[in-house]
Amino acid sequence: DTGVSQDPRHKITKRGQNVTFRCDPISEHNRLYWYRQTLGQGPEFLTYFQNEAQLEKSRLLSDRFSAERPKGSFSTLEIQRTEQGDSAMYLCASSLDMLEQYFGPGTRLTVT
Amino acid sequence: DAKTTQPNSMESNEEEPVHLPCNHSTISGTDYIHWYRQLPSQGPEYVIHGLTSNVNNRMASLAIAEDRKSSTLILHRATLRDAAVYYCILRGVNFGNEKLTFGTGTRLTIIP
Repeated sequence: DTGVSQDPRHKITKRGQNVTFRCDPISEHNRLYWYRQTLGQGPEFLTYFQNEAQLEKSRLLSDRFSAERPKGSFSTLEIQRTEQGDSAMYLCASSLDMLEQYFGPGTRLTVT
Repeated sequence: DAKTTQPNSMESNEEEPVHLPCNHSTISGTDYIHWYRQLPSQGPEYVIHGLTSNVNNRMASLAIAEDRKSSTLILHRATLRDAAVYYCILRGVNFGNEKLTFGTGTRLTIIP
């Protein structure tokens, strides 16, 4: 068990560009979550998957954001036409059923 | 979601016990009390959770008031590695309660 991994760890992009982040959950965890964290704040929920089904999305997840979890394994989070307000740490977590969530190290996005 | 209230910051001396309080006066009967912590530059980490009875694990103890309107996370012997932001979170067990709703937490500083 190597834990939750996220790639890349850091991403710098120019406003208007598209970015995609990847999360690999702990194997056999059926639930996968995405959160966003800005400086000085706690993480905010974005969306979650149970297996390959996306079951809940936050109102924070605007039309520019899309997440997928094909085949119920890894997940990707794409942000289209990035804005400076998208600069944040994007955290992924996984869990088995409704037990404790295990978080990855996060992807820090900077939009210039 | 029921809300929690925590002090913004606390300090403790190394090798002494630490009591981190959390108020949750609007807790419902099915809400579990979860604690996570976030070390600098890392994703959050599960610490402990409970419903009514006090709980112990290798990391900490959780003391829950009889009326469940407050709880205390106890670190029995703080080390420098325990310096982190600690989040107290209420989480229901029904469908739609998958996400963790983080507040701003308590920033714990350990004094050597």
